[in-house]
Amino acid sequence: AQSVTQLGSHVSVSEGALVLLRCNYSSSVPPYLFWYVQYPNQGLQLLLKYTSAATLVKGINGFEAEFKKSETSFHLTKPSAHMSDAAEYFCAVSDLDRDDKIIFGKGTRLHILP
Amino acid sequence: DADVTQTPRNRITKTGKRIMLECSQTKGHDRMYWYRQDPGLGLRLIYYSFDVKDINKGEISDGYSVSRQAQAKFSLSLESAIPNQTALYFCATSGSGGPVGETQYFGPGTRLLVL
Repeated sequence: AQSVTQLGSHVSVSEGALVLLRCNYSSSVPPYLFWYVQYPNQGLQLLLKYTSAATLVKGINGFEAEFKKSETSFHLTKPSAHMSDAAEYFCAVSDLDRDDKIIFGKGTRLHILP
Repeated sequence: DADVTQTPRNRITKTGKRIMLECSQTKGHDRMYWYRQDPGLGLRLIYYSFDVKDINKGEISDGYSVSRQAQAKFSLSLESAIPNQTALYFCATSGSGGPVGETQYFGPGTRLLVL
């Protein structure tokens, strides 16, 4: 079965600094990968997704992620953090063996320091 | 108006009570899902439905049941609530007919407390 591992349940960065949230996946076939964001007291919304086209995927709010097959990684980055980026971020993989359902990681809470 | 709505948004109940959480969507999607979110555990799939006549168990279906009343409505029931079902519950929808990797659209969540 496919799975994702998010490294670090909490990450703190200063406003204006680089944001890097790490995600590694396990899959025997090329996966579809997603990053979702959950703002306080809200549901999840899609940031970006990789579906085997370009390996560098650009999403909303200045975020991007790069699919690296050799490293089985799909890390999320943003060049300059903003206070409004404080949220919980979930990496997810589409489980092709299980009817296209999405398997979520445990989440990383991003804290932005003034 | 929101595309995916959940009612109630908050609920407090007692052990042993039966409760129902409701989900409605206006996106015209065939696929609907119920997840629960617990701190540090991410989202775990309870049940999913690919159309009105198709209901499937997810990874943590014990203690839960669902009903797909129409394409737009998918309800989750706790037949006899217990304290470890205290969690944040999310409904989600996605399209069908296209390639795998369809985006899921989430409701705002229902916060459930079982005393």
